[in-house]
Amino acid sequence: DAGITQSPRHKVTETGTPVTLRCHQTENHRYMYWYRQDPGHGLRLIHYSYGVKDTDKGEVSDGYSVSRSKTEDFLLTLESATSSQTSVYFCAISEGGTGELFFGEGSRLTVL
Amino acid sequence: AQSVTQPDIHITVSEGASLELRCNYSYGATPYLFWYVQSPGQGLQLLLKYFSGDTLVQGIKGFEAEFKRSQSSFNLRKPSVHWSDAAEYFCAVGAGSSASKIIFGSGTRLSIRP
Repeated sequence: DAGITQSPRHKVTETGTPVTLRCHQTENHRYMYWYRQDPGHGLRLIHYSYGVKDTDKGEVSDGYSVSRSKTEDFLLTLESATSSQTSVYFCAISEGGTGELFFGEGSRLTVL
Repeated sequence: AQSVTQPDIHITVSEGASLELRCNYSYGATPYLFWYVQSPGQGLQLLLKYFSGDTLVQGIKGFEAEFKRSQSSFNLRKPSVHWSDAAEYFCAVGAGSSASKIIFGSGTRLSIRP
């Protein structure tokens, strides 16, 4: 299995609080992604990174920010969580855009 | 911007029957296309991918998909399904530099009738 660790795996928080999800990889892959999965919507791309300090927006980036200061870590931050951000968040990595995506186990976030 | 449409939310087929899951994409250039599967309680696994060349691609678990540029489609097929194929299936398209921006469809849930 690809070495991808997401933390925390489960989190319950209140509206208006900041939340940071961490994705850590041991594969030294260049590309890292954050997706959210919601019933009826499949997987939606939030942000992705193509190198240290190189990131780009996805389909649903509003309300989210990311940072990548090291190859192995990709952080997703919700500056002020809202109930609409209740979801399962998946991190994924890839050697290259034409390669296979390897997914983490997911982080379930509940915003009350 | 690229997009993916999976028109079937839920499909039920009998075990042993053939399967076809539909996927339509929108992208201005030659797309990079993928099918992933998510089994209950499991992570996502790549079934197959198309970048160029032969438009019929073979994947794992007996799946295949055919790229049809004229129809902007990349349908997934299997000649005979097994109960273990019950899962959610996602089509995805890669675009941008090195096809690094990978967008998924909304998924099709497959149920198998005994």
